[in-house]
Amino acid sequence: DAKTTQPNSMESNEEEPVHLPCNHSTISGTDYIHWYRQLPSQGPEYVIHGLTSNVNNRMASLAIAEDRKSSTLILHRATLRDAAVYYCILRRASGNTPLVFGKGTRLSVIA
Amino acid sequence: EPEVTQTPSHQVTQMGQEVILRCVPISNHLYFYWYRQILGQKVEFLVSFYNNEISEKSEIFDDQFSVERPDGSNFTLKIRSTKLEDSAMYFCASSGTQGGEAFFGQGTRLTVV
Repeated sequence: DAKTTQPNSMESNEEEPVHLPCNHSTISGTDYIHWYRQLPSQGPEYVIHGLTSNVNNRMASLAIAEDRKSSTLILHRATLRDAAVYYCILRRASGNTPLVFGKGTRLSVIA
Repeated sequence: EPEVTQTPSHQVTQMGQEVILRCVPISNHLYFYWYRQILGQKVEFLVSFYNNEISEKSEIFDDQFSVERPDGSNFTLKIRSTKLEDSAMYFCASSGTQGGEAFFGQGTRLTVV
């Protein structure tokens, strides 16, 4: 599986934007970039995913570098509820490929 | 909003006993997964399942583990003879499309004593 690298932790003030980086220099052409998060004492939760173009949904935006070797998850206004571990995962489009979780980035949000 | 439900939320069992963890995936989903998370550690993939057979399994998923979709709604994980190191949170997940968004349940906390 192609590997991703994320900072262990980040901190943000409430109601400010947060940019969570992810490096994936060995990404292959068929790998989608997925982001999930895990709130305390809960199961992982889907955030967003993309292939080449930037993506937006109600939760976040995903900015993908032109060479696809890095991406950034953007939370436009962090709330206390966004405090979680965020995982950047590469996943092949074909087959019933599982999500392989790394250690992720622990995001703390300060009121 | 549809959700994946898991039962029980917490199970305590004695070492060597068999346990069955139950999951009800979202009704029109076809792709199913089990993961586990030992306290304080990362989420680990166990097994994926599609069309009534295992698609992929990890090294953790040895002969002590099995999965089954006994009817049209349930998806179960069986551990035949539990060990202390099987104590973990077990998450079930399902997807409606290949490689698409996976929906996770709230997990079953398994404690082996």
